[in-house]
Amino acid sequence: EVQLVESGGGLIQPGGSLRLSCAASGFIVSNNYMTWVRQAPGKGLEWVAVINSGGSTYYADSVKGRFTISRDRSKNTVYLQMSSLRAEDTAVYYCARGVVTGSYGMDVWGQGTTVTVSS
Amino acid sequence: DIQMTQSPSSLSASVGDKVTLTCRASQSISYYLNWFQQKPGKAPKLLIYAASSLQSGVPSRFSGSGSGTAFTLTISSLQPEDFATYYCQQSYYTPWTFGQGSKVEIK
Repeated sequence: EVQLVESGGGLIQPGGSLRLSCAASGFIVSNNYMTWVRQAPGKGLEWVAVINSGGSTYYADSVKGRFTISRDRSKNTVYLQMSSLRAEDTAVYYCARGVVTGSYGMDVWGQGTTVTVSS
Repeated sequence: DIQMTQSPSSLSASVGDKVTLTCRASQSISYYLNWFQQKPGKAPKLLIYAASSLQSGVPSRFSGSGSGTAFTLTISSLQPEDFATYYCQQSYYTPWTFGQGSKVEIK
């Protein structure tokens, strides 16, 4: 079964760091565009970052320089390392698979993990 | 960055109605446009990719059209399970960007 399972969310103080994990099953992450998308409480979807099949990474301006997306081929897992966290980073974070063909449509999503940045 | 603007922000409709949602890009994105449906507390679901291609398993009452800067999502006959928020998203330029969403509510 094709599946993504996120973990690592929690309550963190402003300025702190957190690493989110997204474990994939049923497909190989390094063959796809793996993406993180977040949704603040009561708000819309915000694209955060992507790592493409070639390993290149791209970020939203709001997280550039603070977040790092990476992948571990041996664990078939994608990560989002978040540092210098701010209150406005509070959100549900989703991991999603972007299919290489077509328009990189994100066809598989995890259940989401909640990050709360608060003192 | 490319701005995606959806209209309307919300609408009320009845079961059986035809519903058309619009998404405009601030510059041309060719066909690199995806549509998602999201229900409260759930992850988004891909409905349409490449502007007009129906994702596997999605009912045929959903259709997409457009290219360049103007796109539409049409639901030909609204069903009870279709009441949700719909988002468009461009993947032509990074950073990828979403529209603000269109909420379809029961009249």
